[in-house]
Amino acid sequence: QKEVEQDPGPLSVPEGAIVSLNCTYSNSAFQYFMWYRQYSRKGPELLMYTYSSGNKEDGRFTAQVDKSSKYISLFIRDSQPSDSATYLCAMSVDAGGTSYGKLTFGQGTILTVHP
Amino acid sequence: GAGVSQSPSNKVTEKGKDVELRCDPISGHTALYWYRQSLGQGLEFLIYFQGNSAPDKSGLPSDRFSAERTGGSVSTLTIQRTQQEDSAVYLCASSSPARSADEQYFGPGTRLTVT
Repeated sequence: QKEVEQDPGPLSVPEGAIVSLNCTYSNSAFQYFMWYRQYSRKGPELLMYTYSSGNKEDGRFTAQVDKSSKYISLFIRDSQPSDSATYLCAMSVDAGGTSYGKLTFGQGTILTVHP
Repeated sequence: GAGVSQSPSNKVTEKGKDVELRCDPISGHTALYWYRQSLGQGLEFLIYFQGNSAPDKSGLPSDRFSAERTGGSVSTLTIQRTQQEDSAVYLCASSSPARSADEQYFGPGTRLTVT
């Protein structure tokens, strides 16, 4: 069993829809949580970063972490065709109050937003 | 400013040959990471360099893989006696000492095909 599980999709939604992307994890040492977005033939880029349970909002994006359930989510409101990409959740362990940056990724969810 | 650059962008090699992949991190970034992205395996950590410290090689899949970082900047990932299962996209990332190590900037990757 992988440490981080993510439904690979693909997920297809109409423009304007609310998108929900999810990951579960088994390693309770994970304390830092990220969502990266990857366009085709490009490297991933960081979208959201959080280290505490609860919600963090940035524009149309909301990251949610539930450490008790070992579950994280990314919500995209008013989705746009330009949001079409692969979304990767990533996590890292605490190393004395910080992270070394050794990331463990989910498989990635392929999202298509059609006009 | 300039992002992380990788070369070559594509590499086709015959089984059994050695290959070298190059990464130029963002200027001033002290941490450098190599990942491998393949179908079915997602994005996997390979190796991590931080300043002058000994690298964390815990993700290297076999002793055919090695990496070095010269002068704290450019890094080379070498795969000896390539096998077909080495076919993947090899991604390099760097992070700034002024930010979280989890905030990584990725290059576009080198797509390696072993025939």
